Amino acid sequence: DTEVTQTPKHLVMGMTNKKSLKCEQHMGHRAMYWYKQKAKKPPELMFVYSYEKLSINESVPSRFSPECPNSSLLNLHLHALQPEDSALYLCASSQDMEGGYNQPQHFGDGTRLSIL
Amino acid sequence: GQQLNQSPQSMFIQEGEDVSMNCTSSSIFNTWLWYKQDPGEGPVLLIALYKAGELTSNGRLTAQFGITRKDSFLNISASIPSDVGIYFCAGQLYGGATNKLIFGTGTLLAVQP
Repeated sequence: DTEVTQTPKHLVMGMTNKKSLKCEQHMGHRAMYWYKQKAKKPPELMFVYSYEKLSINESVPSRFSPECPNSSLLNLHLHALQPEDSALYLCASSQDMEGGYNQPQHFGDGTRLSIL
Repeated sequence: GQQLNQSPQSMFIQEGEDVSMNCTSSSIFNTWLWYKQDPGEGPVLLIALYKAGELTSNGRLTAQFGITRKDSFLNISASIPSDVGIYFCAGQLYGGATNKLIFGTGTLLAVQP
């Protein structure tokens, strides 16, 4: 069982809708990530939050708006999406450096998003 | 975005066979990770490698961090049907609490009973 929980598991929305994806972890991790994954492709990084502050935005269109309300929660607000935005959206988290090594990222099971 | 070269792209094997896949990069990484992804699920961490030359096992899985820090391989011994899935390598760049992963292109493994 994954320790990163994502809701909803599936989401179908129209291009004019506004919806939000949610991610939660209780491992005490201080970095959280959003990825987009197309079928049979590797995940592509979208955003990174470190200590609840946005630290990386990989030139993601503004129709995707991330939010980190606290150290355990990460949201992705969606508005006016396009059909090509249909994908699996993955959340991940990682701990601070320990022992001089970066700690690996742990992924949730994702939200399967379909844009009509 | 940047991706690592991962090979083979796919493998179709018989149950009980051994499997080997590898990743190469033109860049040096501090950490190499191997993930497995089943359909409808997120990637699950299999093995993490932190030192050049490190050889690490996890059950039937063995992975090594290349001496040059630009490559890694994953071996699976005595494959079973539940090994089916997509395997991704990932190189991790130094960045404190916000480490960035560069993923390989993935290896699709099919195991015939």
